[in-house]
Amino acid sequence: DGGITQSPKYLFRKEGQNVTLSCEQNLNHDAMYWYRQDPGQGLRLIYYSQIVNDFQKGDIAEGYSVSREKKESFPLTVTSAQKNPTAFYLCASSTGTGATGELFFGEGSRLTVL
Amino acid sequence: AQSVTQLDSQVPVFEEAPVELRCNYSSSVSVYLFWYVQYPNQGLQLLLKYLSGSTLVKGINGFEAEFNKSQTSFHLRKPSVHISDTAEYFCAVSDLRSGGSNYKLTFGKGTLLTVNP
Repeated sequence: DGGITQSPKYLFRKEGQNVTLSCEQNLNHDAMYWYRQDPGQGLRLIYYSQIVNDFQKGDIAEGYSVSREKKESFPLTVTSAQKNPTAFYLCASSTGTGATGELFFGEGSRLTVL
Repeated sequence: AQSVTQLDSQVPVFEEAPVELRCNYSSSVSVYLFWYVQYPNQGLQLLLKYLSGSTLVKGINGFEAEFNKSQTSFHLRKPSVHISDTAEYFCAVSDLRSGGSNYKLTFGKGTLLTVNP
């Protein structure tokens, strides 16, 4: 079935460590996104990519990095510079960045910093 | 800048009762409006969207929403809810100043709908 796969589903990290969250899609979508979700806060955009080898900062990019070397993959690295990394991270994709509004989401990765 | 306010953080209802989840937006230009649903420990799924045309929009699972430009609202309704509708619901807006781009979606903080037997 077509969709978005995020891994791992749960991840624990010690302070000072970098961690990479995987996001793979087989929907042949051009655009991919990373959101952070905190309880009672809605979704906030971290990074997005409209095309391979190109990506843009979202509203809360500090302490995060991404790459887009393949159309199918958009991994997110949470670096030690991110001051409050414990959150639920959602990857999404869409056919383009135009105004369809339809983002397809993965099931999320829950990161906990110990 | 655009913003979205979901007026209720939690809405408890009994099964088979009607429900309305409220959403107001703020934008100085025309907007596109969306409702997404998130079941526990899952990603979000699009319920319905308003881009243009009829102000009453029907979505999946029997939900509908009405765009009211004068009230700057986009409330979500269902005439009779089921236990399976228990989830968090997010309103989102994208304004035409940015071309209505997906990466300019602004999400509300969510409303947790709990349907009790």
